[in-house]
Amino acid sequence: DAGVIQSPRHEVTEMGQEVTLRCKPISGHNSLFWYRQTMMRGLELLIYFNNNVPIDDSGMPEDRFSAKMPNASFSTLKIQPSEPRDSAVYFCASSLVPGWGLETQYFGPGTRLLVL
Amino acid sequence: DAKTTQPPSMDCAEGRAANLPCNHSTISGNEYVYWYRQIHSQGPQYIIHGLKNNETNEMASLIITEDRKSSTLILPHATLRDTAVYYCIVPASGNTGKLIFGQGTTLQVKP
Repeated sequence: DAGVIQSPRHEVTEMGQEVTLRCKPISGHNSLFWYRQTMMRGLELLIYFNNNVPIDDSGMPEDRFSAKMPNASFSTLKIQPSEPRDSAVYFCASSLVPGWGLETQYFGPGTRLLVL
Repeated sequence: DAKTTQPPSMDCAEGRAANLPCNHSTISGNEYVYWYRQIHSQGPQYIIHGLKNNETNEMASLIITEDRKSSTLILPHATLRDTAVYYCIVPASGNTGKLIFGQGTTLQVKP
């Protein structure tokens, strides 16, 4: 089975440009998560969706960040405009939440973003 | 989420058992303990989880104390490929799927 797929794997852009990160969750999973990882702040949850609906976006840093999940097999995380401090590794993860406490997440390989 | 406390780093000799401790003294009776790891330059990887009974899978064993205030992840025969950051997580109760990653324990397996 294919795992979580993220694209692009690497992105280098200039400050002020729009950046779109993409994620395809594992087929059949009903929850999707976007994380950001930096040396300073570690692994941070940005937003997560349950059945394509955003449940908690309290981790989204500011209005420059937006995430969508138009269907069960695709999600995007957009940064507009990008800034150098957005440089990080962005991970997407998916899980199937059939019941209370059963939260096993499968992570993608990440997108390494560098904003110059 | 219940707060977890882990040592920042540990060493283990290749081929020996690696025992990684975690304290979660504020855990509620219906909250699970999850373990993930992150190998350098990769995404986090699920290892194992448990509620109150000891659990074992192909990757590791999880020993949870009777009072549930602490647990130990055991890698029975550590290899160099087990060098990673190991995270002990107690998710918020409820059907959310939300995990909060702390600083974890950096395990260095040495030849």
